[in-house]
Amino acid sequence: DQQVKQNSPSLSVQEGRISILNCDYTNSMFDYFLWYKKYPAEGPTFLISISSIKDKNEDGRFTVFLNKSAKHLSLHIVPSQPGDSAVYFCAASSSRALNEKLTFGTGTRLTIIP
Amino acid sequence: NAGVTQTPKFQVLKTGQSMTLQCAQDMNHEYMSWYRQDPGMGLRLIHYSVGAGITDQGEVPNGYNVSRSTTEDFPLRLLSAAPSQTSVYFCASSYSRWGRGTRIFTGELFFGEGSRLTVL
Repeated sequence: DQQVKQNSPSLSVQEGRISILNCDYTNSMFDYFLWYKKYPAEGPTFLISISSIKDKNEDGRFTVFLNKSAKHLSLHIVPSQPGDSAVYFCAASSSRALNEKLTFGTGTRLTIIP
Repeated sequence: NAGVTQTPKFQVLKTGQSMTLQCAQDMNHEYMSWYRQDPGMGLRLIHYSVGAGITDQGEVPNGYNVSRSTTEDFPLRLLSAAPSQTSVYFCASSYSRWGRGTRIFTGELFFGEGSRLTVL
């Protein structure tokens, strides 16, 4: 039972354009969401997060949008750069107690075309 | 700054052999965890620890043991390797902060570079 779903395994975007990566979740208890970025042969790195009390969070070129009623979040990258080519994982948690666990999606491979 | 260090980076085992994947962090993080990454499956939590002496199971704990005797180290033991354990393993650490009168898990994991394990 995949509680966090990334239905697009891959995405190609022209350099300079907007990249939009999508993520859906099924567990209504999730209230904190994160995006991680992973380059080949490296571990994932934290990118941006959003709490369910917000519907948008921005950090430079990266913006995460949360639609709680649709149980959907998206990551926007504007403008896209070649260094953004990576696999992106969304993750979710609930309660944020110290023993809380993250549930990850299956990832979307983003390729930025120069 | 080392961050999270995993060893070995690559390992080939035969079915039935045992081994330990080492993980160390130098950030004084109380939270440490092990994930495995398989094609089409994302990252799945094996075991985690919220402090020295405290461990708990994640989503896929069978066939693995962990211990946390110090804040810095969190080794993962494969008791009797099976081909289904062929995977890339990631160790991660994280910190908490005070909020709402309690410690809050930030979810901001710092990952090691991974250990690729092949079981024949």
